Amino acid sequence: DTGVSQDPRHKITKRGQNVTFRCDPISEHNRLYWYRQTLGQGPEFLTYFQNEAQLEKSRLLSDRFSAERPKGSFSTLEIQRTEQGDSAMYLCASSLGRDNYNEQFFGPGTRLTVL
Amino acid sequence: LAKTTQPISMDSYEGQEVNITCSHNNIATNDYITWYQQFPSQGPRFIIQGYKTKVTNEVASLFIPADRKSSTLSLPRVSLSDTAVYYCLVGVHTDKLIFGTGTRLQVFP
Repeated sequence: DTGVSQDPRHKITKRGQNVTFRCDPISEHNRLYWYRQTLGQGPEFLTYFQNEAQLEKSRLLSDRFSAERPKGSFSTLEIQRTEQGDSAMYLCASSLGRDNYNEQFFGPGTRLTVL
Repeated sequence: LAKTTQPISMDSYEGQEVNITCSHNNIATNDYITWYQQFPSQGPRFIIQGYKTKVTNEVASLFIPADRKSSTLSLPRVSLSDTAVYYCLVGVHTDKLIFGTGTRLQVFP
C-alpha cells in the first residue's frame, strides 16, 4: 500500500455513459498525476495538478475527459460519453514535487471496461 | 523528451543477478534516469533514480557511464517475487513520467 487510494477499483459501463473516478493522494503531496494504461503498454500521462491548479494536459485528454482537484487534496477524473476505446486502467500518482526529488507514488488503479 | 530503448523481455533463475540495460542516446543535461517496477494489476513502484556514476539502495543498483547514453539496472539475487515489468524513464525529475513498454522479467525457480 503506497498511501494513494483510488475508487472504484473496477468499473463496467455501457458505451455512452458517464463515469467518474476518485483519487486520494498522500496527504502532504502537492502534485497529483493521472495516467492511463492499456494491456501490454506502459502508462501514458494524461494530466497533472500542482495543488489545485491543473498545469498540463496531454493530447490524449479529449474534450470528453475532465479532471479536477478542487481543494488541492483529492482529485476526480470524469469521462463523458464513454467509448470502447476508453477501456483501460486509470492510474493516479502523487508526489512532493520537490526540485531535487520526485518519486511518484501510484495508486492501485481503476480498471474501466466499456461494453 | 529523451526516448529509451530496453529489451522487451528477460528470463532468469532465482538467486541470479539480473542486469537490464536501457539506451537513451538523446538524454539531456537536466535529465535524470529513473526505474520503476510494476506487478500485474498494480501501479508502478519507484525502484531507483540517478544522474551519473553509480547509485545503490536496498533493492537495486543503477550504473550510469560517463556519457550517460545508457544505464543498467542491477538486481542482485533475484527471487520469484521480482517477476515484473521494469521501466526505464528519462526526464526532468519533477516532470510527468514518460513510460515505454518496459522489460518483462520472468524469474524461474
